[in-house]
Amino acid sequence: DAGVIQSPRHEVTEMGQEVTLRCKPISGHDYLFWYRQTMMRGLELLIYFNNNVPIDDSGMPEDRFSAKMPNASFSTLKIQPSEPRDSAVYFCASSLGQGLGGYTFGSGTRLTVV
Amino acid sequence: QQPVQSPQAVILREGEDAVINCSSSKALYSVHWYRQKHGEAPVFLMILLKGGEQKGHEKISASFNEKKQQSSLYLTASQLSYSGTYFCGTPSGSARQLTFGSGTQLTVLP
Repeated sequence: DAGVIQSPRHEVTEMGQEVTLRCKPISGHDYLFWYRQTMMRGLELLIYFNNNVPIDDSGMPEDRFSAKMPNASFSTLKIQPSEPRDSAVYFCASSLGQGLGGYTFGSGTRLTVV
Repeated sequence: QQPVQSPQAVILREGEDAVINCSSSKALYSVHWYRQKHGEAPVFLMILLKGGEQKGHEKISASFNEKKQQSSLYLTASQLSYSGTYFCGTPSGSARQLTFGSGTQLTVLP
């Protein structure tokens, strides 16, 4: 398996622009998680899905953030409009069932908003 | 609630041992351990499920004491490849999502 695939790896955008991050989980994994990592706040959970259904989005910072999972092999995290404080590394992770095998993280998207 | 890790940073020489601790103010049902190298994604090391359980991964082992609500990661005879930031992650009650500690930065020098 190719693992969890995220795109793009790097994104530089201007404040106010829309940003879309993409994730392809490991085939067969039924849980998908979006995390954000910054030096100040560490790894923060934004939202997670089970069988394509959003279960907990309490970590989504504002209405500017939205996430979708239209099918088992694809998820997006959208920020509109983007702000400099959104600059961070965004990780997507997937896991199977009770998570006994742990999470498999994607390589992340480094977002810079200028 | 975020688990608390200690120490924040450790510097070792190759061959030395290290212990990283993770504690929670809430009841723990399981603990995950991950390692993240600079510029890379966190990588799963192991999960501990039962009170007092110990597991090993090469020369890295861990213990979990659910009564004390804490887990410890033991790195024996450290290798250069062990350098990175170690995170513990704990589920929120019966929920599936993990809350991660702030990390322990481990540096192994030759």
